[in-house]
Amino acid sequence: ETGVTQTPRHLVMGMTNKKSLKCEQHLGHNAMYWYKQSAKKPLELMFVYSLEERVENNSVPSRFSPECPNSSHLFLHLHTLQPEDSALYLCASSHQGGRETQYFGPGTRLLVL
Amino acid sequence: AQTVTQSQPEMSVQEAETVTLSCTYDTSESDYYLFWYKQPPSRQMILVIRQEAYKQQNATENRFSVNFQKAAKSFSLKISDSQLGDAAMYFCAYRSGAAGNKLTFGGGTRVLVKP
Repeated sequence: ETGVTQTPRHLVMGMTNKKSLKCEQHLGHNAMYWYKQSAKKPLELMFVYSLEERVENNSVPSRFSPECPNSSHLFLHLHTLQPEDSALYLCASSHQGGRETQYFGPGTRLLVL
Repeated sequence: AQTVTQSQPEMSVQEAETVTLSCTYDTSESDYYLFWYKQPPSRQMILVIRQEAYKQQNATENRFSVNFQKAAKSFSLKISDSQLGDAAMYFCAYRSGAAGNKLTFGGGTRVLVKP
């Protein structure tokens, strides 16, 4: 499945580091999403971009900063993270609209030391 | 706010047999969509099946079918003729038809397939 790709697949970072996660979709979609999947918690929506505009920020701390330069690319910039931010970060994309199915990337496994 | 509940943390099934995963949800909306996603060990979230709330007919996709009970707010997934490749986490998800973009997920059910 190469419709939605994410890089890197694995990332280890210290609490003072700055890193970025990248997502790219090849499906012609116009909405993109970041989700966080922690152990023992349901998937949590973090951000939604629709037509390159952020339409939802689900009370995410400012140490996570999203960027959507165009409809095919989505970034999540990370700085001064905490160990509890260690999780699987999943990107998804869809056509705009409630009835549209979201397609997911393979995720980035993040470990914060 | 909508909530999605999967009451079975883990289910085990013999190869070639059938297993049913339960999902209930809470909403005051009439227009919405329900999904089952599969997450194998590779962690890629894969769409299994989708149901529109306005459709009375239950969705089917090959060996996967749902039992959608709108009044009871229940959306169970049946996997028939289970295969080893079906072993994965299965997540039920809800999406509002009006509010658009947000998917709300349940906590997941792990399916183990015994050869």
